[in-house]
Amino acid sequence: ETGVTQSPTHLIKTRGQQVTLRCSSQSGHNTVSWYQQALGQGPQFIFQYYREEENGRGNFPPRFSGLQFPNYSSELNVNALELDDSALYLCASTRGGAGETQYFGPGTRLLVL
Amino acid sequence: TQLLEQSPQFLSIQEGENLTVYCNSSSVFSSLQWYRQEPGEGPVLLVTVVTGGEVKKLKRLTFQFGDARKDSSLHITAAQPGDTGLYLCAGGVGTTDSWGKLQFGAGTQVVVTP
Repeated sequence: ETGVTQSPTHLIKTRGQQVTLRCSSQSGHNTVSWYQQALGQGPQFIFQYYREEENGRGNFPPRFSGLQFPNYSSELNVNALELDDSALYLCASTRGGAGETQYFGPGTRLLVL
Repeated sequence: TQLLEQSPQFLSIQEGENLTVYCNSSSVFSSLQWYRQEPGEGPVLLVTVVTGGEVKKLKRLTFQFGDARKDSSLHITAAQPGDTGLYLCAGGVGTTDSWGKLQFGAGTQVVVTP
């Protein structure tokens, strides 16, 4: 148990739909990072939120967007879903700052048909 | 595209044997982390190495960071079935601002049979 929770655990959508994934960070953590892990691959960095502001983004198109709330929980939104968006979506929280351990949630498994 | 290359992709060994997993890159990393991921769970941090040439030991696990900070290895002595999992290396680039924005390798799936 890392104290990071994600919902839902599994989700099935069809191409073109929109999806919202949620992450509750560990208590005291103000930084949340989102990753996409395709089958057989390592996680790919999507973006990071620090104190409700986006703080860096990986090589993902604008239809991937996010939010962080005052309680530091976070959402990942994906519009116009494509088949290749099928993956495990992981969030990780940390207290922020160099050297702090990043704790991952169990992930949300998204299948796009 | 994974900037960190892990080898081998898959490793199956008997309980009690030793194994080594490698993580290589053409890029220099300010830090490198090793994680283990089990099915249905997120990655769990095992160790962080930050100094070139650094060696860290965690019980039966030994981690090494290359002198040039471009490569790393994980060695497990006398493997046990509980060591089964996907081992991922992840590099951080830059300094404080990049912390938590990790680049992961594709992972090495390790299976230890009794």
